[in-house]
Amino acid sequence: GAGVSQSPSNKVTEKGKDVELRCDPISGHTALYWYRQRLGQGLEFLIYFQGNSAPDKSGLPSDRFSAERTGESVSTLTIQRTQQEDSAVYLCASSPLGFSSAFFGQGTRLTVV
Amino acid sequence: DQQVKQNSPSLSVQEGRISILNCDYTNSMFDYFLWYKKYPAEGPTFLISISSIKDKNEDGRFTVFLNKSAKHLSLHIVPSQPGDSAVYFCAASGRAGFQKLVFGTGTRLLVSP
Repeated sequence: GAGVSQSPSNKVTEKGKDVELRCDPISGHTALYWYRQRLGQGLEFLIYFQGNSAPDKSGLPSDRFSAERTGESVSTLTIQRTQQEDSAVYLCASSPLGFSSAFFGQGTRLTVV
Repeated sequence: DQQVKQNSPSLSVQEGRISILNCDYTNSMFDYFLWYKKYPAEGPTFLISISSIKDKNEDGRFTVFLNKSAKHLSLHIVPSQPGDSAVYFCAASGRAGFQKLVFGTGTRLLVSP
């Protein structure tokens, strides 16, 4: 597709289970970001991939969170042993090299019950 | 440590009037600033940006002003239209295209007919 694609669009999981969220960036975009937005709050940075450089993981809230990206393609965000406070919309964005205006996907709404 | 702040959570404006959304930042290393617009259940979409070498950038009804000495930027929408009703996020980057975007908490704009 032409835009950033995220799947699933909605995910309900039980507390303590692991979840995996997927992001397909726009083809050719070297930069990929993960953000989350909890209810009533702003966009919280999680992790940033730029080409083959080491990712900026400074926003990951705990070691239960991890993300991978193979080359300049798909990225997966994994949350282990989910907690209720992990409930949020997880947004992925991508941008071409040297371009600061990131393009966002529609997000994955994660609900931990 | 909130490096990008939007102190007004909401703003109501009448159709045809000017909407002014404000944003403050604390990190003097930021040199590229962006505004995003977000409708419910959608990802944020890029609206307008400004580099620190400028103090104004205009695109149709949207103008962004940057005051580097005050570490303040604002987005002016004139005339405001009901379709502008959305949440507006201010974002900043340390170097165009090479660093993560840091977002503010957003301002919900409501434009009434």
